[in-house]
Order: sequence, then structure tokens, then C-alpha cells
Amino acid sequence: EVRLVESGGGLIQPGGSLRLTCVASGFTSDDYDMDWVRQVPGKGLEWVSSISWNRANVNYADSVRGRFTISRDSAKNSLYLQMNSLRPEDTALYFCAKHKKKWLVQPNDAFDNWGRGTMVTVSS
Amino acid sequence: SYVLTQPPSVSVAPGMTARITCGGNNIERKSVHWYQLRPGQAPVLVISYDTDRPSEIPERFSGSNSGNTATLSIIRVEAGDEADYFCQVWDRDSDQKVFGGGTKLTVL
Repeated sequence: EVRLVESGGGLIQPGGSLRLTCVASGFTSDDYDMDWVRQVPGKGLEWVSSISWNRANVNYADSVRGRFTISRDSAKNSLYLQMNSLRPEDTALYFCAKHKKKWLVQPNDAFDNWGRGTMVTVSS
Repeated sequence: SYVLTQPPSVSVAPGMTARITCGGNNIERKSVHWYQLRPGQAPVLVISYDTDRPSEIPERFSGSNSGNTATLSIIRVEAGDEADYFCQVWDRDSDQKVFGGGTKLTVL
């Protein structure tokens, strides 16, 4: 069974940093592109960042580029999101999501599995 | 940047058909994916690539995409279908993934 479990969220002051982790099980995460998506409470979904299976392609939403860094660790079957210079508008539930297709750098692919998310609150 | 427009809410009686639209400029040229969100749960892919339904999703769910509108249709709606539904595409011009604003489906 494919499972994605996010952690690392919490309450942080503006300007602070957090590192989110997504641990994958039931599949080899290195075989798939992986993304982070966030949802402001009571609002819609916003794509945050993606990393290709081969790490050749990394992309970010304009709203986080230059502040967030996505990475992955094969040995730990994990995905990460380093978030720096956090702002109140970054407050959201952060999901990690797995692409549907294997071994393809395909930005238009669907997310066929998601975690339940980890909450990040940026407030003084 | 590319914009996807969804109605904020759709209400339907049990047993009837719900249609949730997703509007975008020439959206028919893009692959549209649909997700179901319930509070406290992981989002679920219900339709990918306009019309593909994952095996674990009931046959009552279907998708279409033509012109400037993609549509998620749910026939014989059940109380358990009540959720928020989001459409999503990749915009090649901006290389950004875009979600619609979401539609809350209420089963009366």
C-alpha cells in the first residue's frame, strides 16, 4: 500500500525557517516525480514545488521561489521542503504528492497519491 | 498566469447527476486532473488526463474536456460524494501547476 506521511510543521515566527519531511512507503519514491502542494485553511490548493525522479528538474511556484528548496533522499525514501524567510501568507497545510507515472519527467502528470499534510503556521 | 475557474458550490439531490465545471482558456489543449478533498483526509485523484478513472474510483465518476471547459460528472450522487473537488493542469507557458479554486459539492 502506497503511503505518504508528512511531518515537520509547526508554529514559526515570520522570517523563520522550517524543514518539512515526507516519508514514502509501499513504493520506491525515487522512481517518481514528487511535489509539494499547500492549502490555506478554508481555501483552495496551491502547488508549491516539484522534483523529478532523476533530480534533473526542480521547479517552484513564483510565490516561494528563492525561499523554498525541494530535495529528496533515496536511502530514506523521503522528500523534503526547506522553507526559509517564512511569511504569514505561507500559513497552510502542506501535502506531499506522488506522480502517477514512473520514470518520466512529466510536469503535466497527475498526483495519484497524497499524504494527509502537515500544518505550518507563520505568526508572531 | 493561467487561471482555472470553478463554481464555488454545486448542490444536488441524492440519485441525481452533479456536474462540476472547470473553465480555462483553450483548456481542451491541456490534460485536466480532478481531486476530491474531505477535511482531515488525504486528497484523492478521481479523474486524470481528462477522462481516465482510477480503478478504485466508482464508475459513477467521469470527466470530459472540450473548448474552454472541463467537466467532472458524478451520476447517481450519494451522500458520501459530498466533498470539495479541484481541477488541476500544468501551464506550459509559465511552467507552473495550477489548481482551480475548488467546488464544494453538497448532497441535499
